[in-house]
Amino acid sequence: RKEVEQDPGPFNVPEGATVAFNCTYSNSASQSFFWYRQDCRKEPKLLMSVYSSGNEDGRFTAQLNRASQYISLLIRDSKLSDSATYLCVVNYYGNNRLAFGKGNQVVVIP
Amino acid sequence: NAGVTQTPKFQVLKTGQSMTLQCAQDMNHNSMYWYRQDPGMGLRLIYYSASEGTTDKGEVPNGYNVSRLNKREFSLRLESAAPSQTSVYFCASSESGTGGNTIYFGEGSWLTVV
Repeated sequence: RKEVEQDPGPFNVPEGATVAFNCTYSNSASQSFFWYRQDCRKEPKLLMSVYSSGNEDGRFTAQLNRASQYISLLIRDSKLSDSATYLCVVNYYGNNRLAFGKGNQVVVIP
Repeated sequence: NAGVTQTPKFQVLKTGQSMTLQCAQDMNHNSMYWYRQDPGMGLRLIYYSASEGTTDKGEVPNGYNVSRLNKREFSLRLESAAPSQTSVYFCASSESGTGGNTIYFGEGSWLTVV
C-alpha cells in the first residue's frame, strides 16, 4: 500500500460548483497533514495545513479523519483560477520527511 | 522577495555527463531539500539537510550527491547522468524540519538526459 494515495482524476467541475476529494494515508502515526496546490509546470505551494478539528480558509475546507486515516479537501463556489493539481502531503517518517500524493487534478469548466 | 532560487531552469545532458543543480534561499531557513517529480508519481525526496553542516539521504539518493555549502546554499550533483534521471527537480527549504512547518519550493529545474 502506498504511503499517500489520491485519485488523480481529472475532476471536471462546472464553475460555481462544489468539489471534494479525499486522500488516504497508510501510517497511523502520521502527525502533520497539508494540502499543497501545484499549477501546471510550476512549483507546489502550501494551500493549507489540516488540523484535527478541521479548518476553513475562505472557500476551502480541510478535514482530518484519523480513525479512517484520510484527509479531505472541499472547494466551494469553484473559480476558473482553482484549476490546478492539489497535492496531499503527510509528515510520515518524522521530521524532515514528507510523503506526497500524486495529486488530484481539478479542471474548472466555464 | 526571491525565496528559493534554483538554476538552471532547463538542461539537456548526454548520458554519462555530470552537472550540478544550484539552489539558494534567502529566508534564513535551517532545512533544505532536493525532490524529484516524475509523471504519475508524487514528489520523492532525494537528499535533505536538516541544518548547515549536515546532509542525509532521502528515498531515492542513488546517483546523486549533495553539498550544503553554507546556510543559504544546497547543491545537487549528478556525477554520471542516466536517462532514468530525466525529471523535474525541486529544491525546497523550511525554517526547521517539516513537522508543522511550511516548506517553500523553488521554481523547478527540468532535466533531460539523452
